[in-house]
Amino acid sequence: NAGVTQTPKFQVLKTGQSMTLQCAQDMNHEYMSWYRQDPGMGLRLIHYSVGAGITDQGEVPNGYNVSRSTTEDFPLRLLSAAPSQTSVYFCASSYLGQGVLDGANVLTFGAGSRLTVL
Amino acid sequence: ILNVEQSPQSLHVQEGDSTNFTCSFPSSNFYALHWYRWETAKSPEALFVMTLNGDEKKKGRISATLNTKEGYSYLYIKGSQPEDSATYLCALPGGSTLGRLYFGRGTQLTVWP
Repeated sequence: NAGVTQTPKFQVLKTGQSMTLQCAQDMNHEYMSWYRQDPGMGLRLIHYSVGAGITDQGEVPNGYNVSRSTTEDFPLRLLSAAPSQTSVYFCASSYLGQGVLDGANVLTFGAGSRLTVL
Repeated sequence: ILNVEQSPQSLHVQEGDSTNFTCSFPSSNFYALHWYRWETAKSPEALFVMTLNGDEKKKGRISATLNTKEGYSYLYIKGSQPEDSATYLCALPGGSTLGRLYFGRGTQLTVWP
């Protein structure tokens, strides 16, 4: 049981380049999300998905695309990288449920991907 | 958008000190509150999920209380140790999507030996 796997762990890009951060989970979680972490800003939600074929925007979606073709995978695409996208990115997943006492909606995070855009 | 406030932003204590910090949130339409612990160079991990007014949760030296009527939760650490150094995040679900969590900016705790 690998949990949430993110790749790559580190990446350096030049302005204008595109890339995809991969996220996969093996827990059959319906909910998957991408956050970015910047100093003093906490975790900010970029995009999220409640199931295959369903995605929605979070607080800071501009410059990023996502898709959810399977339950397991939720890649984050940077279309044209900018220095403002230099950050640490976390993928997180949970199973959805009304019963909060059984662990529903508790996020499991990946190890993070550090992206630098020059 | 759900406004989740945490204070203080950072805290420095000596080993053995007890400490506490606060998470404040709108008291209307409360559903649940999550506490996460985030060590440097690692990823956040869930500590507690709290749902009922007056709830108290405990894990070792760390405990949390919840007051949904006034909209706050306290996290307490008794006899802090250097390994307690981490950022402690508070999050609440909100809006129409059940899994979506709104995070506070966290309290960064440093425990000096």
